[in-house]
Amino acid sequence: NAGVTQTPKFQVLKTGQSMTLQCAQDMNHEYMSWYRQDPGMGLRLIHYSVGAGITDQGEVPNGYNVSRSTTEDFPLRLLSAAPSQTSVYFCASKQGTDNSPLHFGNGTRLTVT
Amino acid sequence: AQSVTQPDIHITVSEGASLELRCNYSYGATPYLFWYVQSPGQGLQLLLKYFSGDTLVQGIKGFEAEFKRSQSSFNLRKPSVHWSDAAEYFCAVGGWTGNQFYFGTGTSLTVIP
Repeated sequence: NAGVTQTPKFQVLKTGQSMTLQCAQDMNHEYMSWYRQDPGMGLRLIHYSVGAGITDQGEVPNGYNVSRSTTEDFPLRLLSAAPSQTSVYFCASKQGTDNSPLHFGNGTRLTVT
Repeated sequence: AQSVTQPDIHITVSEGASLELRCNYSYGATPYLFWYVQSPGQGLQLLLKYFSGDTLVQGIKGFEAEFKRSQSSFNLRKPSVHWSDAAEYFCAVGGWTGNQFYFGTGTSLTVIP
């Protein structure tokens, strides 16, 4: 089973460039989310979605956009990358909107120079 | 506001020794608590979860955790550590909506032969 798939694994951007981090899950999970992981900061929620067409902001949403047109996909867009967005990004999904555990992808390591 | 504190940034134990990783949470209602493990270059994997009921919960890989409401703690334990347990461990708390999870900053575990 593929689970949660993130692409790319690594990416280097210049300041001001845009890009989309892809996330797909094959478990028919309603809930999907994006986290960033920074040293000494743990994981912080960027955006989440409880179903197709529904998204909401998390703890650190500034500089990121999301949309959810299908159940399977939840891309994260950086419209104008900044060095402060250098981080490791994780996509996570779970069944339903209760406190089921999250299933994580393997992450995308992004460097903005 | 919800928050999770993991006081120990890094812990070193000998193989075969016992392990306890500390987690304290702040949450205004009944918390939903989780422990995840992250191996290098990988996403997070669920070790165990607490929702209600018995305050001592068993997880995978021989781990257990005890919920103590009076101390706002959810410490992770293992009686005998194996070299393969070397990883980073994250404690997390979720609220009743199931939409937002808050992670601690993680504890890095080194196991020495």
